[in-house]
Amino acid sequence: KQEVTQIPAALSVPEGENLVLNCSFTDSAIYNLQWFRQDPGKGLTSLLLIQSSQREQTSGRLNASLDKSSGRSTLYIAASQPGDSATYLCAVMGGAQKLVFGQGTRLTINP
Amino acid sequence: DAGVIQSPRHEVTEMGQEVTLRCKPISGHDYLFWYRQTMMRGLELLIYFNNNVPIDDSGMPEDRFSAKMPNASFSTLKIQPSEPRDSAVYFCASSSRPDEKLFFGSGTQLSVL
Repeated sequence: KQEVTQIPAALSVPEGENLVLNCSFTDSAIYNLQWFRQDPGKGLTSLLLIQSSQREQTSGRLNASLDKSSGRSTLYIAASQPGDSATYLCAVMGGAQKLVFGQGTRLTINP
Repeated sequence: DAGVIQSPRHEVTEMGQEVTLRCKPISGHDYLFWYRQTMMRGLELLIYFNNNVPIDDSGMPEDRFSAKMPNASFSTLKIQPSEPRDSAVYFCASSSRPDEKLFFGSGTQLSVL
């Protein structure tokens, strides 16, 4: 059974810093990995999708990498801003066409 | 497109009552997913449909839960009878293909007293 772990559960950094969020998964047989953002009381917004054949994806100040063999992904946020404060979740899709989510990292950017 | 639309946003009911949650997926999306989110268990997939047909309902916790998709633009998740442990945020999500981005609705916050 696929398990997805995100460490740390919470992270607080000053504005302007570059930061990395981590995601690990136990079964490397995945089709893709997605990073989501969730604001309090809201639904999830997909930020980046990395297919299993890809190593990374970039969108603006966000860069996500995927290392299937080691079962790891990172989300890099450059020049963080208070508006980046949210919970970030990663999710992997396996053969059953189902996304398995991590518990998320709650990120706070302090002005 | 307005995105995935869920109703109601909030539902407060008493134990034993029937609860019906509604979802309108993004037009043209052939896949629809129902998730439940709690602090203890995180996001759990309950059931998903492809072209209105239920494909995998292994995440439905009990027979008290049922889901239907009578057409491509509407789905319901029903709990009958409801119990306090069903209290959670229920999300509907849709995608055009399972290997493409998943779009979530704003969720229904369910409280069963």
